[in-house]
Amino acid sequence: EVQLVESGGGLVQPGGSLRLSCAASGFTFSSYWMSWVRQAPGKGLEWVANIKQDGSEKYYVDSVKGRFTISRDNAKNSLYLQMNSLRAEDTAVYYCATFSSAWRRFDYWGQGALVTVSS
Amino acid sequence: QSALTQPPSVSGAPGQRVTISCTGSSSNIGAGYDVHWYQQLPGTAPKLLIYGNNNRPSGVPDRFSGSKSGTSASLAISGLQAEDEADYYCQSYDGSLSVSLFGGGTKLTVL
Repeated sequence: EVQLVESGGGLVQPGGSLRLSCAASGFTFSSYWMSWVRQAPGKGLEWVANIKQDGSEKYYVDSVKGRFTISRDNAKNSLYLQMNSLRAEDTAVYYCATFSSAWRRFDYWGQGALVTVSS
Repeated sequence: QSALTQPPSVSGAPGQRVTISCTGSSSNIGAGYDVHWYQQLPGTAPKLLIYGNNNRPSGVPDRFSGSKSGTSASLAISGLQAEDEADYYCQSYDGSLSVSLFGGGTKLTVL
């Protein structure tokens, strides 16, 4: 059974940093593109970033470019999102998800981690 | 404002059929990129419901179906059940923006 478990969420002040982690199990992690998708409170879904199987390609939504960094450790079956210079508008539940590059779809999702940016 | 437009809400009585539209543009749905649909039950993570316009992952009932035409796509749910009450999101790829796009979401209420 595919499992994705996010951790590292919490309350952070504007301008601060936070690192999210996603522990994967139940599938061959190193064979899949991975993604972060976020959902602001009461709002819809927004794709944030993708990373290729070997980490050689990374893509970001414009609003987080230069502030967020997606990375992975295939030996640890883990995905990360380093978030710097956080803004109030980054407040959201952050989901990690497997990404099918062939279909450009998000197959499996974690339960999400809440990030709140507030003073 | 999302680049994929969905109605904010739809409703139907148990047993009825409802449809949810998803309107895009020539750079995403109209460019031939596939449309996928996700179901988000209250308080839970999204789940892939329809992929590649009209395909159901294993375990998804055949009451759910998808279609695509031109710059739009639709999700149809027949034989409505109480447990179908959820938010539904369409998703595609935009070749001009080079991003995956989601619709704004549609809240389905089963009366």
